[in-house]
Amino acid sequence: DQQVKQNSPSLSVQEGRISILNCDYTNSMFDYFLWYKKYPAEGPTFLISISSIKDKNEDGRFTVFLNKSAKHLSLHIVPSQPGDSAVYFCAAKNNFNKFYFGSGTKLNVKP
Amino acid sequence: KAGVTQTPRYLIKTRGQQVTLSCSPISGHRSVSWYQQTPGQGLQFLFEYFSETQRNKGNFPGRFSGRQFSNSRSEMNVSTLELGDSALYLCASSLVPGADQPQHFGDGTRLSIL
Repeated sequence: DQQVKQNSPSLSVQEGRISILNCDYTNSMFDYFLWYKKYPAEGPTFLISISSIKDKNEDGRFTVFLNKSAKHLSLHIVPSQPGDSAVYFCAAKNNFNKFYFGSGTKLNVKP
Repeated sequence: KAGVTQTPRYLIKTRGQQVTLSCSPISGHRSVSWYQQTPGQGLQFLFEYFSETQRNKGNFPGRFSGRQFSNSRSEMNVSTLELGDSALYLCASSLVPGADQPQHFGDGTRLSIL
């Protein structure tokens, strides 16, 4: 049962433009959401998170938006840089502290 | 501050064998979780340990087991290996379970079954 879904396996964006990565979830009991970035041969690196009581969290070029009614999470990267090219995973935690991950979106930022 | 350390980085085994993977969490972190990553499947949760006790378990067969030691280091064991067990196994640590805090991952152990 895939409770967290990333429907776009890949995304290509021009350097300097905005990258928008999307994530949908099915479980309304999720209370904490995260985005991770993963380079080849490395483990996922934590990027940004948001609690379910908020709808937006910003950290530099990265902003996460949470739409609870739509059960939708998105990550905006502005401006996109070639070094942002990686696989991005969204994740959600339930109240039993169990994390669920999406299958990832491969972002390619073209110079 | 040292990150999460997983050993070994790469491992090749044959079907029917068993394997033990090791994870040292970030200093001060007491919660350790294990995940399996296969192509196109994302990260599948295996189990979580805190204070040497398994707190959560994913939907994996009993061939997959783990334990945690008093220093928070954790090991994962897979017995009677199958070809489908070939994957990247990731360990993640956090301070304590339950709080809104990220898990921090190691670089994983790449397990290949021949």
